Amino acid sequence: LAKTTQPISMDSYEGQEVNITCSHNNIATNDYITWYQQFPSQGPRFIIQGYKTKVTNEVASLFIPADRKSSTLSLPRVSLSDTAVYYCLVGRHSQTGANNLFFGTGTRLTVIP
Amino acid sequence: AAGVIQSPRHLIKEKRETATLKCYPIPRHDTVYWYQQGPGQDPQFLISFYEKMQSDKGSIPDRFSAQQFSDYHSELNMSSLELGDSALYFCASSLYRSTEAFFGQGTRLTVV
Repeated sequence: LAKTTQPISMDSYEGQEVNITCSHNNIATNDYITWYQQFPSQGPRFIIQGYKTKVTNEVASLFIPADRKSSTLSLPRVSLSDTAVYYCLVGRHSQTGANNLFFGTGTRLTVIP
Repeated sequence: AAGVIQSPRHLIKEKRETATLKCYPIPRHDTVYWYQQGPGQDPQFLISFYEKMQSDKGSIPDRFSAQQFSDYHSELNMSSLELGDSALYFCASSLYRSTEAFFGQGTRLTVV
């Protein structure tokens, strides 16, 4: 299982773009990179997933370099409601059952007015 | 849209008692995950099921057991409860081979 490393915490002002980088040096060929967001006392919520290059949805962008040993979640123009913990997960689509969805230590993002 | 339903939302038990947590996945989701999250901690994976069979096992104590039933709902059974079992327990469901899991609101278990 690929180990992930993220910054423990980040602060940002409202309206700024926030980039959270996750290191996953031993990512395997079949592994996907998935990001989740969690608010206090709520279950994590899926944000975005990618395999390589760039993925964008209505909420965020995910940048993955060619070597795939890291990935960067980009949140455009954050607001106070983006204050949460963000988790980077690396795992593969299982061939025989449930996928590996293991949460490591997430990044606590605080958005400042 | 239907979400993952967990019951009960709150549970208070005494030490050494037994607790059963229930999870009803999103319709047509065939995969269920269970997580434990202590105060200020990250979610810890306990166990997962696919098509009613155990798929992966994480840091689930031997005092805990779980199963997925024919209607795909799942139950987490916890026996000989300890104070350290007090936590939020989340269930999540997904479609086969998807890493997009949908989480329930959680069950807050307090052991006194």
